[in-house]
Amino acid sequence: EVVLLESGGGLVQPGGSPRLSCAASGFTFSSYAMSWVRQAPGKGLEWVSGISASGGSTYYADSVKGRFTVSRDNSKNTLYLQMNSLRAEDTAVYYCAKDTGTYHLTGHGMDVWGQGTTVTVSS
Amino acid sequence: DIVMTQSPDSLAVSLGERATINCKSSQSILYDYDNKNYLAWYQQKPGQPPKLLFYWASTRESGVPDRFSGSGSGADFTLTISSLQAEDVAVYYCQQYYSTPPTFGPGTRVNVK
Repeated sequence: EVVLLESGGGLVQPGGSPRLSCAASGFTFSSYAMSWVRQAPGKGLEWVSGISASGGSTYYADSVKGRFTVSRDNSKNTLYLQMNSLRAEDTAVYYCAKDTGTYHLTGHGMDVWGQGTTVTVSS
Repeated sequence: DIVMTQSPDSLAVSLGERATINCKSSQSILYDYDNKNYLAWYQQKPGQPPKLLFYWASTRESGVPDRFSGSGSGADFTLTISSLQAEDVAVYYCQQYYSTPPTFGPGTRVNVK
């Protein structure tokens, strides 16, 4: 069974720096690009960041560029999102999602999603 | 960035009736190289992550019931539920993967009338 399991969320103070993790199982993790997508309370979906299968290429939404860093450890089948300088508007459920291609946007969408981890930025 | 819009924002349909959701992109997402529309549809039920329903605008993901269909090309797309079932109550999102950043529509909420 293909599973993505996010962790690392919680209540964070403004300016905080949590790191989210996403543990993958049930597929060849090193063969697929991965993404982080977030959903603010009661709102729609916003793509946050993507990374190629090898980890050599990374991509970011303008809203997080310079503050968030995506990475992966293919030996541990784990995706990460280092979040720095958090703001109230970063409050959201953060999903990791498996892309259907090897490189960013070379597949046909995101076919596997985790259950998400909630990040709440508040003092 | 490519802007995705959806209409309506929400709709209520009787069980067994048809539901139609529209999605427009701010530019064509039809790639001339392969003649494919770089559009996906997702279903999100309350408290759950999104689920991929269609890609290439009209290719049904494995396991998706055939009462769901996707159509359209260029910049105008439609998701149709031919006979609404109670389990189809959800928010539906379109998403372009033609260029980065991949962008989602605002979502259409489907309820039972």
